[in-house]
Amino acid sequence: GNSVTQMEGPVTLSEEAFLTINCTYTATGYPSLFWYVQYPGEGLQLLLKATKADDKGSNKGFEATYRKETTSFHLEKGSVQVSDSAVYFCALSAWKTSYDKVIFGPGTSLSVIP
Amino acid sequence: EAGVAQSPRYKIIEKRQSVAFWCNPISGHATLYWYQQILGQGPKLLIQFQNNGVVDDSQLPKDRFSAERLKGVDSTLKIQPAKLEDSAVYLCASRYNTEAFFGQGTRLTVV
Repeated sequence: GNSVTQMEGPVTLSEEAFLTINCTYTATGYPSLFWYVQYPGEGLQLLLKATKADDKGSNKGFEATYRKETTSFHLEKGSVQVSDSAVYFCALSAWKTSYDKVIFGPGTSLSVIP
Repeated sequence: EAGVAQSPRYKIIEKRQSVAFWCNPISGHATLYWYQQILGQGPKLLIQFQNNGVVDDSQLPKDRFSAERLKGVDSTLKIQPAKLEDSAVYLCASRYNTEAFFGQGTRLTVV
């Protein structure tokens, strides 16, 4: 079946460090890929998305490229800030009959220290 | 545009009691989801509606959980009777095209 795997956390970085959170997926067909972020005490927010191979999603300095050949969608940011501390979820949306089903990875907790 | 509204935000109940959660999706969004997020895990789909019809409830524990979507708009999720392992955040989401919008969730604690 369809699934999403993420690197395990927690990840702790110093401010201005480079961030990579790995995400790989298994899916039939051509899924859309997402990164969601959950700040402490808040709901899930869409961070970025890519709907086809080689697309790059970007938002708030974060980027991820849809790599069909490696079935990956790694999240990167060149210089993290304390305010980026949150849990990050990789997700995919795969067509099942006529409807989308959004499947999430387990999440990666990021802590950025000053 | 208003977001997905959920209530209550927090609920504490004793095991074997019943509880209900309410969700008002974004206007015009035909697809509605209920997810269960246990602490430290990713959200798990419980049930998916298209308008007022169920299209996926394969992971809904139907012996204790039930959900309905009235007139294809608001939805309620009920647990009866609750177990300790039902302690989680229950997230409602609605979908437009390729993007799902989430509410802030209801945090349920079963003691």
